[in-house]
Amino acid sequence: DIQMTQSPSSLSASVGDRVTITCRTSQRISTYLNWFQQKPGKAPKLLIFAASSLQSGVPSRFSGSGSGTDFTLTIGSLQPEDFATYYCQQSYITPPTFGQGTKVEIK
Amino acid sequence: QVQLVQSGAEVKKPGSSVKVSCKASGGTFSNYAFSWVRQTPGQGPEWMGGVIPTFATTNYAQKFQGRVTIIADDSTRTVYMELSSLRSEDTAVYYCATGHCSRTSCYGGGYHFDFWGQGSLVTVSS
Repeated sequence: DIQMTQSPSSLSASVGDRVTITCRTSQRISTYLNWFQQKPGKAPKLLIFAASSLQSGVPSRFSGSGSGTDFTLTIGSLQPEDFATYYCQQSYITPPTFGQGTKVEIK
Repeated sequence: QVQLVQSGAEVKKPGSSVKVSCKASGGTFSNYAFSWVRQTPGQGPEWMGGVIPTFATTNYAQKFQGRVTIIADDSTRTVYMELSSLRSEDTAVYYCATGHCSRTSCYGGGYHFDFWGQGSLVTVSS
């Protein structure tokens, strides 16, 4: 299975801050990398697919980049509703695998 | 756009089985691949297995092989996941999720998570 390693595991930030989360995979996956946001008690929500494509309805302050084994999710200007846990996931090969998550908390 | 509605919470005894359902509405059922993903508190989502109706294919994560069965019923647009030999560590929220995977467009491993059900809490306790 492809292992997914996210960093950091948690971070504290203020409204308006630029936030960057990284995800590294144990083997090359081209751009078959997706990002999800999850709030307590809710299902994960797809934000970014194919490494850099914004899912319909997702604000443009979210962006993704990377290919191969190293990927980044950036929140351009953190908003109050963005405090949540973020997961990366590879869709290159079955079984699909998820990172352990990055919790974004209010500073 | 696909909407997924799951069955309700369950409480089960160790050693028993649980069957969770997921009814899809909207879209063409056979154009999607359906997965079951579970999550325990504080942990990342964990893919258990999935079914791709258009290819008549079912895949299971090695961890759950032999204990999980996933079935898609085209006539009722419902996907089922049955997990047997339950133990306390199986206490989790179980989600169904789906993404497009048809005979004309199915990339990567086939399983994607564009749409999610609301989750079903399964508690295993004596």
